[in-house]
Amino acid sequence: KAGVTQTPRYLIKTRGQQVTLSCSPISGHRSVSWYQQTPGQGLQFLFEYFSETQRNKGNFPGRFSGRQFSNSRSEMNVSTLELGDSALYLCASSLVVETEAFFGQGTRLTVV
Amino acid sequence: KNEVEQSPQNLTAQEGEFITINCSYSVGISALHWLQQHPGGGIVSLFMLSSGKKKHGRLIATINIQEKHSSLHITASHPRDSAVYICAVQYNNNDMRFGAGTRLTVKP
Repeated sequence: KAGVTQTPRYLIKTRGQQVTLSCSPISGHRSVSWYQQTPGQGLQFLFEYFSETQRNKGNFPGRFSGRQFSNSRSEMNVSTLELGDSALYLCASSLVVETEAFFGQGTRLTVV
Repeated sequence: KNEVEQSPQNLTAQEGEFITINCSYSVGISALHWLQQHPGGGIVSLFMLSSGKKKHGRLIATINIQEKHSSLHITASHPRDSAVYICAVQYNNNDMRFGAGTRLTVKP
């Protein structure tokens, strides 16, 4: 059974650009959550999608957005990139809400 | 103040030692997760607990809901156990809050 797949693994962008990250959950999983990990703030919850609906959102500015498709694949978008957006972005999928989460390898974004 | 407090922040042990990492949280939760993160970033979910105790190989996780406390134990530690261990609490809306992590180094 394939795990959670995140693409790309590494990304370098310049300030002001926008970026889209992709997450393919484990087959059959309907819940996808996104997290940001930085050395200063640690792991922080971004948002969670279930059946194409955003169910919950963390405390991040509107530049951070996401969506989920009918096949449960999810994308997150960050517009007008800032240096502080440099981080490891992780997604996790679970079968339904409140079941065990499985994490992807993450996308390491560097903003220069 | 972080909603999830982990201790210790750093831990160095000799191979074979018994290791305990602690996690305390402040409000009611639906579940608690113990995660392992190796250099390079990949995270593996070790346990998901809502009560009692779980064991997987040399790893044991316990949770006390009344005291809002969980522990992760590693028996007969090995250098390959060296990683960052993260405690995360999950609320009913699937929102998660994370501890700062415990960096474990096991020396041969």
